Amino acid sequence: DAKTTQPTSMDCAEGRAANLPCNHSTISGNEYVYWYRQIHSQGPQYIIHGLKNNETNEMASLIITEDRKSSTLILPHATLRDTAVYYCIVRYYSGAGSYQLTFGKGTKLSVIP
Amino acid sequence: EPEVTQTPSHQVTQMGQEVILRCVPISNHLYFYWYRQILGQKVEFLVSFYNNEISEKSEIFDDQFSVERPDGSNFTLKIRSTKLEDSAMYFCASSATRTSAPYEQYFGPGTRLTVT
Repeated sequence: DAKTTQPTSMDCAEGRAANLPCNHSTISGNEYVYWYRQIHSQGPQYIIHGLKNNETNEMASLIITEDRKSSTLILPHATLRDTAVYYCIVRYYSGAGSYQLTFGKGTKLSVIP
Repeated sequence: EPEVTQTPSHQVTQMGQEVILRCVPISNHLYFYWYRQILGQKVEFLVSFYNNEISEKSEIFDDQFSVERPDGSNFTLKIRSTKLEDSAMYFCASSATRTSAPYEQYFGPGTRLTVT
């Protein structure tokens, strides 16, 4: 699986958009980008995933660059409850079978009132 | 909304004792996982399970560990002879139905295992 690089920590003002970058310059064509978060030692929570196209769901948007070497997770209106460690994970998915997630250190996002 | 549940929330055991951590995955999910997180460290994959067999396992998942789905609802992780370094938060996760891909893993709240 491709290696990812994320900033160690970021701050965001409450109500503003939080933009969390992830570098995955060695990503291969069949690897997906997944984002999870972990709120204070709770179980990780899935946020969003993508392959090539930008994706949006009720939680966030995922912007993947055209060369797929980096991506940005956007939380459009951050709240205090979004304070968490955010993990960017790149993983090959064949379309069948289980897949393990390899978590790095992630980005600790602090939402400031 | 369906959720993964885990019991107990906290388990304290003495070194050398056997422990069984229990999980109830989401009812129609097909793939089951165990991860662990030592305090202050990364979340680490242990094992995945599908169709009553281990699909993948990490180097951490040695002969001291085993998993079982004893009935249609529970998924257990057994550690035969606990060591101090097994102290960690253990997370169970499940994913995928027969009609959806396993992109999204749903994690339980974890069991904190303390080995003394």
